[in-house]
Amino acid sequence: QLQLQESGPGLVKPSETLSLTCTVSGGSISSSNYYWGWIRQPPGKGLEWIGSVYYTGLTYDNPSLKSRVTISVDTSKNQFSLRLNSVTAADTAVYYCARPMWELRPFPAFDIWGQGTMVTVSS
Amino acid sequence: EIVLTQSPGTLSLSPGERATLSCRASQSVSNRYLAWYQLKPGQAPRLLIYGASSRATGIPDRFSGSGSGTDFTLTISRLEPEDFAVYSCQQYGRSPLTFGGGTKVEIK
Repeated sequence: QLQLQESGPGLVKPSETLSLTCTVSGGSISSSNYYWGWIRQPPGKGLEWIGSVYYTGLTYDNPSLKSRVTISVDTSKNQFSLRLNSVTAADTAVYYCARPMWELRPFPAFDIWGQGTMVTVSS
Repeated sequence: EIVLTQSPGTLSLSPGERATLSCRASQSVSNRYLAWYQLKPGQAPRLLIYGASSRATGIPDRFSGSGSGTDFTLTISRLEPEDFAVYSCQQYGRSPLTFGGGTKVEIK
């Protein structure tokens, strides 16, 4: 069955760029019509949608992140990625990648999630 | 953006009891596009309910959702030991997608 796995550094310095990758197994990003998503959860807080990417590279992101976000897709590796620049301690969170319930819906509910990866922003 | 406020923050109950969780939206959620998730540490979030009242695949029928407009409810009819967790609502009727702050259901 479809599985998602986040990977990337667990520690990032303030003002630097956070980079994470989500590897999709058990299915092909390019042969489906999903808007693959990134969501995060800071410690003690609720979930926050970061943004989503279609296999063509079309993206939508959360305006609250003030254009610090770049989401991309690499269909040859069956992966999609997140870059968040100029990070601060407020970006410390568990970062999840997720697949929507429905195809062709850029703003969906998500029914398949990765286990999440903790990223700490600290010097 | 639509702000979702969940209450209570913590619910202390015993196994077998009924849990009622609330999610209130700052604006009407169109088409009842409201989902509920179960969150446990170290695990992938689990979609329970979508469309305010439809159970996701494999979700036991002790979980039910209701509501429309700005007021939504998740009910767990009889708590099983594995149900003690954090529950989060999400609206997907309008961008940006937003989530509530969560309700923790803990063992009394």
